[in-house]
Amino acid sequence: DQQVKQNSPSLSVQEGRISILNCDYTNSMFDYFLWYKKYPAEGPTFLISISSIKDKNEDGRFTVFLNKSAKHLSLHIVPSQPGDSAVYFCAASLASYGKLTFGQGTILTVHP
Amino acid sequence: SAVISQKPSRDICQRGTSLTIQCQVDSQVTMMFWYRQQPGQSLTLIATANQGSEATYESGFVIDKFPISRPNLTFSTLTVSNMSPEDSSIYLCSVEGGDQGLGRDGDTQYFGPGTRLTVL
Repeated sequence: DQQVKQNSPSLSVQEGRISILNCDYTNSMFDYFLWYKKYPAEGPTFLISISSIKDKNEDGRFTVFLNKSAKHLSLHIVPSQPGDSAVYFCAASLASYGKLTFGQGTILTVHP
Repeated sequence: SAVISQKPSRDICQRGTSLTIQCQVDSQVTMMFWYRQQPGQSLTLIATANQGSEATYESGFVIDKFPISRPNLTFSTLTVSNMSPEDSSIYLCSVEGGDQGLGRDGDTQYFGPGTRLTVL
C-alpha cells in the first residue's frame, strides 16, 4: 500500500521557468509533510516542510502548497536553475512518531 | 553546524557474509533512524534506534537480519546479516532536528550520505 505517491517519474523544465512537483497521500492522519532533494551518491537534503495547520510555506525560491481536502501537496521552484536538477522526494509523517513515509521520487531536469 | 557521517560509503560483499554500517553525529540526538533505498525504489524505514532501549523495527524487518546498536547519543550501527543480492541497496541513517540543534523543526529528519551496498 503506497501511502505517498508521486505520479510523475520525471519532469523537464527550461531554466528560469517554474517547476511544479506533485505529491498525493492517502492517510488523512499525516500531519507533517516534507520535500527532499537527492543527488546521486548523496543522502537526501531537506528542502522545505509544511504542517497540516498551514496551506502554504515559502522559503526563497521554494514554496510548498498543501490541500488537505484533496490530500495533495506540491512544490514550486521559481525560477528553476540547472543546479536544481536532482531527484525530489516528498515525505509525510505523523506527529511525534518519527517515521517518514516517502513517495517514489520525481527526477527534475532543468535545461539551460 | 552538525554533521552526519557514515562508514563505509560503499562496499561490495559476498553472499552469506555480514556488514556493519556506522553512523556518527557530531551532536547529541535522541532519535536515530535507519532507512533503505533499493535500486529504483523509494526510501523505506527499517527501524528507529533510541539510546538505552531496543530498536523498534518496521513491518518486514527483523532484528536477526538487521541488528542495531545505539550505545550513546551520537552513534549507531546497523548490521546487514547473512546477505543476499536482494540486500543490495543504499542504507541511510537520519536524525531529527529541532532541539538537537540540526534543524528548524523537531519533526524534520536530516540524512547522512548513505552506504551503497552491493551483494554478489
